[in-house]
Amino acid sequence: EVRLVESGGGLIQPGGSLRLSCSASGITFSSHNMAWVRQAPGKGLEWISFITGSSSAIYYADSVKGRVTISRDNGKNSLFLQMNSLRVDDTATYYCARDLSGWSVFDLWGQGTLVTVSS
Amino acid sequence: EIVMTQSPATLSVSPGERATLSCRASQSIGINLAWYQQKPGQAPRLLISGASTRATGISARFSGGGSGTEFTLTISSLQSDDFAVYYCQQYNNWWRVTFGQGTKVEIK
Repeated sequence: EVRLVESGGGLIQPGGSLRLSCSASGITFSSHNMAWVRQAPGKGLEWISFITGSSSAIYYADSVKGRVTISRDNGKNSLFLQMNSLRVDDTATYYCARDLSGWSVFDLWGQGTLVTVSS
Repeated sequence: EIVMTQSPATLSVSPGERATLSCRASQSIGINLAWYQQKPGQAPRLLISGASTRATGISARFSGGGSGTEFTLTISSLQSDDFAVYYCQQYNNWWRVTFGQGTKVEIK
């Protein structure tokens, strides 16, 4: 079955760190660029990071730059997002998404993992 | 950053009617535009890319159009399964994509 499954979310205090994971199955993971997109409760979608299949290029949104690190392990079909210095406004459901075409069109999404930053 | 603006914020439509959603880009993006559908508690689903090309398995009731800065998503003959939030996304700057704020299509 083709699927992406995120994990690692939870309740964390402001200033804390969290590592999100996304496990891929049923796809040739290394052939695809991947991204993280988040959605604050009741809000719209916000792209936050992108990584090419070979990890040769990485991009971040200004809202998270310097605080998050995207990475991948193609041998384990896994995508990661290390999040540091978390803020209350980082509270969101975090989705991993597969790039269909190399142009950041996302045709496969995980179910999301909720990160709640609160004291 | 390319800003995407969707209108209206909410669209009330009766089942069987046509719905037309709009998306405007703050600068020209050619046809590098995608549309997604999101239902409550679910991840987004790709509907259209290249402004008008339906994704695999997407009903022909969904059609996209436009280029440059003005785009539309039309849903003909709305069915109960179509009531959801719809997002446009530009990928002209593929290294820094942006989404519109969404249009909620609700039952009238």
